[in-house]
Amino acid sequence: ETGVTQSPTHLIKTRGQQVTLRCSSQSGHNTVSWYQQALGQGPQFIFQYYREEENGRGNFPPRFSGLQFPNYSSELNVNALELDDSALYLCASSRGRANTEAFFGQGTRLTVV
Amino acid sequence: GQQLNQSPQSMFIQEGEDVSMNCTSSSIFNTWLWYKQDPGEGPVLLIALYKAGELTSNGRLTAQFGITRKDSFLNISASIPSDVGIYFCAGRDAGGTSYGKLTFGQGTILTVHP
Repeated sequence: ETGVTQSPTHLIKTRGQQVTLRCSSQSGHNTVSWYQQALGQGPQFIFQYYREEENGRGNFPPRFSGLQFPNYSSELNVNALELDDSALYLCASSRGRANTEAFFGQGTRLTVV
Repeated sequence: GQQLNQSPQSMFIQEGEDVSMNCTSSSIFNTWLWYKQDPGEGPVLLIALYKAGELTSNGRLTAQFGITRKDSFLNISASIPSDVGIYFCAGRDAGGTSYGKLTFGQGTILTVHP
Protein backbone atom coordinates (compact mmCIF):
# COMPACT_ATOMS: atom_id res chain seq x y z
CA GLU A 1 0.00 0.00 0.00
CA THR A 2 1.58 3.27 -1.12
CA GLY A 3 1.29 6.33 1.08
CA VAL A 4 0.44 9.92 0.18
CA THR A 5 3.00 11.47 -2.17
CA GLN A 6 3.38 15.12 -3.10
CA SER A 7 5.35 16.88 -5.82
CA PRO A 8 7.45 18.85 -6.06
CA THR A 9 9.15 18.79 -2.64
CA HIS A 10 10.49 22.33 -2.98
CA LEU A 11 9.56 25.24 -5.21
CA ILE A 12 10.61 28.87 -5.56
CA LYS A 13 8.27 31.29 -7.34
CA THR A 14 8.14 35.02 -7.93
CA ARG A 15 5.36 37.21 -6.55
CA GLY A 16 2.46 37.37 -9.02
CA GLN A 17 3.18 34.01 -10.60
CA GLN A 18 0.92 30.96 -10.52
CA VAL A 19 1.81 27.55 -9.03
CA THR A 20 0.39 24.03 -9.21
CA LEU A 21 1.11 21.46 -6.52
CA ARG A 22 0.26 17.79 -6.90
CA CYS A 23 -0.83 15.01 -4.57
CA SER A 24 -1.37 11.29 -5.04
CA SER A 25 -3.67 9.86 -2.41
CA GLN A 26 -3.08 6.66 -0.51
CA SER A 27 -4.41 3.51 -2.15
CA GLY A 28 -8.11 3.03 -1.35
CA HIS A 29 -8.66 6.65 -0.30
CA ASN A 30 -11.19 8.84 -2.15
CA THR A 31 -10.94 12.07 -0.14
CA VAL A 32 -8.12 14.60 -0.34
CA SER A 33 -7.64 17.70 1.81
CA TRP A 34 -5.10 20.49 1.46
CA TYR A 35 -3.49 22.44 4.30
CA GLN A 36 -1.14 25.40 4.53
CA GLN A 37 1.42 25.38 7.32
CA ALA A 38 3.32 28.58 8.04
CA LEU A 39 6.59 28.36 9.95
CA GLY A 40 5.99 27.66 13.63
CA GLN A 41 2.23 27.17 13.21
CA GLY A 42 -0.19 24.29 12.94
CA PRO A 43 -1.62 23.40 9.53
CA GLN A 44 -4.58 25.48 8.32
CA PHE A 45 -7.37 23.85 6.29
CA ILE A 46 -7.65 25.13 2.70
CA PHE A 47 -10.26 22.78 1.18
CA GLN A 48 -11.33 19.18 0.76
CA TYR A 49 -12.26 17.16 -2.32
CA TYR A 50 -14.48 14.10 -2.33
CA ARG A 51 -15.27 12.24 -5.54
CA GLU A 52 -13.92 15.09 -7.67
CA GLU A 53 -16.01 17.81 -5.98
CA GLU A 54 -15.02 20.42 -3.41
CA ASN A 55 -17.10 19.76 -0.29
CA GLY A 56 -15.47 21.92 2.35
CA ARG A 57 -13.42 25.11 2.31
CA GLY A 58 -11.46 27.07 4.90
CA ASN A 59 -10.81 30.79 5.08
CA PHE A 60 -8.72 31.14 1.92
CA PRO A 61 -9.34 33.49 -1.03
CA PRO A 62 -10.61 32.25 -4.43
CA ARG A 63 -7.12 32.43 -5.91
CA PHE A 64 -6.59 29.13 -4.07
CA SER A 65 -8.34 26.50 -6.19
CA GLY A 66 -8.11 22.78 -6.68
CA LEU A 67 -9.04 19.72 -8.65
CA GLN A 68 -9.52 16.06 -7.94
CA PHE A 69 -9.16 13.52 -10.71
CA PRO A 70 -10.98 10.20 -11.27
CA ASN A 71 -8.04 8.32 -9.74
CA TYR A 72 -8.50 10.57 -6.63
CA SER A 73 -5.20 12.38 -7.09
CA SER A 74 -5.44 16.12 -6.63
CA GLU A 75 -3.94 19.47 -7.55
CA LEU A 76 -3.74 22.72 -5.61
CA ASN A 77 -3.47 25.86 -7.75
CA VAL A 78 -2.54 29.25 -6.38
CA ASN A 79 -2.79 32.32 -8.61
CA ALA A 80 -1.24 35.75 -8.16
CA LEU A 81 1.24 34.53 -5.56
CA GLU A 82 1.95 36.77 -2.59
CA LEU A 83 4.94 36.72 -0.26
CA ASP A 84 2.69 35.47 2.57
CA ASP A 85 1.89 32.36 0.52
CA SER A 86 5.34 31.05 1.42
CA ALA A 87 4.64 27.95 3.51
CA LEU A 88 4.64 24.17 3.65
CA TYR A 89 1.62 22.86 1.71
CA LEU A 90 0.34 19.54 2.95
CA CYS A 91 -2.00 17.08 1.33
CA ALA A 92 -3.93 14.52 3.38
CA SER A 93 -5.95 11.59 2.12
CA SER A 94 -8.61 9.53 3.84
CA ARG A 95 -11.28 6.95 3.21
CA GLY A 96 -14.60 8.76 2.97
CA ARG A 97 -15.81 12.33 3.52
CA ALA A 98 -15.96 12.11 7.28
CA ASN A 99 -12.31 11.12 6.95
CA THR A 100 -11.89 9.29 10.18
CA GLU A 101 -8.12 9.03 9.85
CA ALA A 102 -6.21 11.46 7.66
CA PHE A 103 -2.74 10.58 6.44
CA PHE A 104 -0.40 13.33 5.28
CA GLY A 105 2.20 13.52 2.55
CA GLN A 106 5.66 14.96 3.12
CA GLY A 107 4.56 18.38 1.89
CA THR A 108 5.72 20.90 -0.70
CA ARG A 109 7.83 23.80 0.57
CA LEU A 110 6.82 26.88 -1.45
CA THR A 111 8.93 30.01 -1.26
CA VAL A 112 7.64 33.20 -2.89
CA VAL A 113 10.25 35.88 -3.55
CA GLY B 1 -7.71 31.04 11.42
CA GLN B 2 -9.34 29.08 14.21
CA GLN B 3 -6.97 26.96 16.28
CA LEU B 4 -7.11 24.78 19.31
CA ASN B 5 -5.32 25.79 22.50
CA GLN B 6 -2.50 23.32 22.92
CA SER B 7 -0.19 23.29 25.94
CA PRO B 8 2.55 23.38 26.83
CA GLN B 9 4.17 25.15 23.88
CA SER B 10 7.47 23.42 24.55
CA MET B 11 8.96 20.85 26.90
CA PHE B 12 12.56 20.00 27.80
CA ILE B 13 12.80 16.64 29.56
CA GLN B 14 15.31 13.95 30.44
CA GLU B 15 15.27 10.59 28.72
CA GLY B 16 13.06 8.19 30.67
CA GLU B 17 10.64 10.84 31.94
CA ASP B 18 6.94 10.83 31.20
CA VAL B 19 5.33 13.60 29.13
CA SER B 20 1.82 15.04 29.18
CA MET B 21 0.27 17.54 26.79
CA ASN B 22 -3.30 18.62 26.15
CA CYS B 23 -5.61 20.49 23.84
CA THR B 24 -8.76 22.44 24.61
CA SER B 25 -11.35 23.93 22.31
CA SER B 26 -14.43 26.12 22.56
CA SER B 27 -16.08 23.86 19.97
CA ILE B 28 -17.20 20.26 20.21
CA PHE B 29 -15.39 17.79 18.00
CA ASN B 30 -16.44 14.34 16.84
CA THR B 31 -12.91 13.07 16.37
CA TRP B 32 -9.56 13.88 17.94
CA LEU B 33 -6.27 13.02 16.23
CA TRP B 34 -2.72 13.32 17.49
CA TYR B 35 0.20 13.79 15.08
CA LYS B 36 4.00 14.02 15.33
CA GLN B 37 5.92 16.14 12.85
CA ASP B 38 9.65 16.16 12.23
CA PRO B 39 11.30 19.22 10.64
CA GLY B 40 10.56 19.48 6.91
CA GLU B 41 8.24 16.47 6.96
CA GLY B 42 4.49 15.96 6.97
CA PRO B 43 2.62 15.09 10.18
CA VAL B 44 2.50 11.38 11.06
CA LEU B 45 -0.67 10.05 12.67
CA LEU B 46 -0.08 8.65 16.17
CA ILE B 47 -3.52 8.04 17.66
CA ALA B 48 -7.15 8.56 16.58
CA LEU B 49 -10.03 8.95 19.05
CA TYR B 50 -13.70 8.67 18.06
CA LYS B 51 -15.83 8.61 21.22
CA ALA B 52 -16.10 10.86 24.26
CA GLY B 53 -14.25 9.29 27.18
CA GLU B 54 -12.29 6.93 24.93
CA LEU B 55 -8.79 6.03 26.09
CA THR B 56 -6.47 4.59 23.42
CA SER B 57 -2.85 3.44 23.54
CA ASN B 58 -0.20 3.01 20.86
CA GLY B 59 2.93 1.59 22.44
CA ARG B 60 4.25 4.14 24.95
CA LEU B 61 1.62 6.68 23.85
CA THR B 62 -1.79 7.03 25.47
CA ALA B 63 -4.46 9.53 24.48
CA GLN B 64 -7.91 10.35 25.78
CA PHE B 65 -10.99 11.96 24.24
CA GLY B 66 -12.42 14.29 26.89
CA ILE B 67 -15.93 13.69 28.22
CA THR B 68 -17.04 17.19 27.21
CA ARG B 69 -15.76 16.53 23.64
CA LYS B 70 -13.88 19.82 23.90
CA ASP B 71 -10.51 18.49 24.99
CA SER B 72 -7.99 15.72 24.56
CA PHE B 73 -4.80 14.57 26.27
CA LEU B 74 -1.66 12.79 25.09
CA ASN B 75 0.79 11.06 27.41
CA ILE B 76 4.17 9.60 26.45
CA SER B 77 5.74 7.25 28.95
CA ALA B 78 9.48 6.58 29.40
CA SER B 79 10.58 9.08 26.74
CA ILE B 80 13.47 8.25 24.40
CA PRO B 81 15.57 10.56 22.16
CA SER B 82 13.58 9.67 19.03
CA ASP B 83 10.45 11.15 20.65
CA VAL B 84 11.90 14.58 19.80
CA GLY B 85 9.64 16.53 17.46
CA ILE B 86 6.52 18.65 17.32
CA TYR B 87 3.26 17.12 18.51
CA PHE B 88 -0.04 18.42 17.17
CA CYS B 89 -3.58 17.75 18.25
CA ALA B 90 -6.35 18.06 15.67
CA GLY B 91 -10.11 18.03 16.04
CA ARG B 92 -12.59 17.19 13.34
CA ASP B 93 -16.06 18.67 12.95
CA ALA B 94 -18.31 16.36 10.97
CA GLY B 95 -20.80 18.98 9.83
CA GLY B 96 -21.24 22.49 8.46
CA THR B 97 -19.61 24.15 5.47
CA SER B 98 -16.16 22.87 6.40
CA TYR B 99 -17.12 19.22 6.36
CA GLY B 100 -14.26 17.00 7.41
CA LYS B 101 -12.01 19.95 8.27
CA LEU B 102 -9.23 19.29 10.76
CA THR B 103 -8.52 22.14 13.17
CA PHE B 104 -4.98 21.97 14.55
CA GLY B 105 -3.39 23.15 17.75
CA GLN B 106 -0.25 25.30 17.71
CA GLY B 107 1.94 22.32 18.53
CA THR B 108 4.09 21.19 21.46
CA ILE B 109 7.83 21.13 20.80
CA LEU B 110 9.39 18.21 22.68
CA THR B 111 13.11 18.04 23.39
CA VAL B 112 14.54 14.96 25.10
CA HIS B 113 17.99 15.14 26.69
CA PRO B 114 19.89 11.81 26.81
